Amino acid sequence: GAGVSQSPSNKVTEKGKDVELRCDPISGHTALYWYRQRLGQGLEFLIYFQGNSAPDKSGLPSDRFSAERTGESVSTLTIQRTQQEDSAVYLCASSHDVYEQYFGPGTRLTVT
Amino acid sequence: GQQLNQSPQSMFIQEGEDVSMNCTSSSIFNTWLWYKQEPGEGPVLLIALYKAGELTSNGRLTAQFGITRKDSFLNISASIPSDVGIYFCAGRITGTASKLTFGTGTRLQVTL
Repeated sequence: GAGVSQSPSNKVTEKGKDVELRCDPISGHTALYWYRQRLGQGLEFLIYFQGNSAPDKSGLPSDRFSAERTGESVSTLTIQRTQQEDSAVYLCASSHDVYEQYFGPGTRLTVT
Repeated sequence: GQQLNQSPQSMFIQEGEDVSMNCTSSSIFNTWLWYKQEPGEGPVLLIALYKAGELTSNGRLTAQFGITRKDSFLNISASIPSDVGIYFCAGRITGTASKLTFGTGTRLQVTL
């Protein structure tokens, strides 16, 4: 079946602009996660959605970052007033249970 | 955020050689996952481990959940060029329902 998809695959934006990144999870997966991966680094947890529960936002680095999820489907990660240090690959993952997460290809964000 | 200690950081091996990498943590984990990431792609799940002492194989890959629940290793036998990539361990700390903590990655290069 279809995997996790993310769009856009690449985004170049000017410092100070807002960006929206989209994630379509695997159908039927109740959990959705966002991670950030800086060049040559591991994955940094940002936010987690599980069903209708309040999201776990403990990994969001600042109040410029926010995310929403519509039911158990698509999620958008919004970064306001982008800074150069926001440049990274943003990865989305979904899971049917709390154990195995399946990742999308990521969105490469470059802030100039 | 917290990351696991993963070693080695990088490996250069010849085709046909066996590979071993490991992750250690100061915290007790109840789940260990091993992922592989290729350039421009999201991480792909290789093996999942759920019980202390568990040894699981997936083709040429074998992974074990350490008996202390604070470590895991991944072995690759008879490496081939397509094994090239970055291997990440990830674990779930007991009591944290959702979040995975990722290792810093092991970059594997295979020479002919």
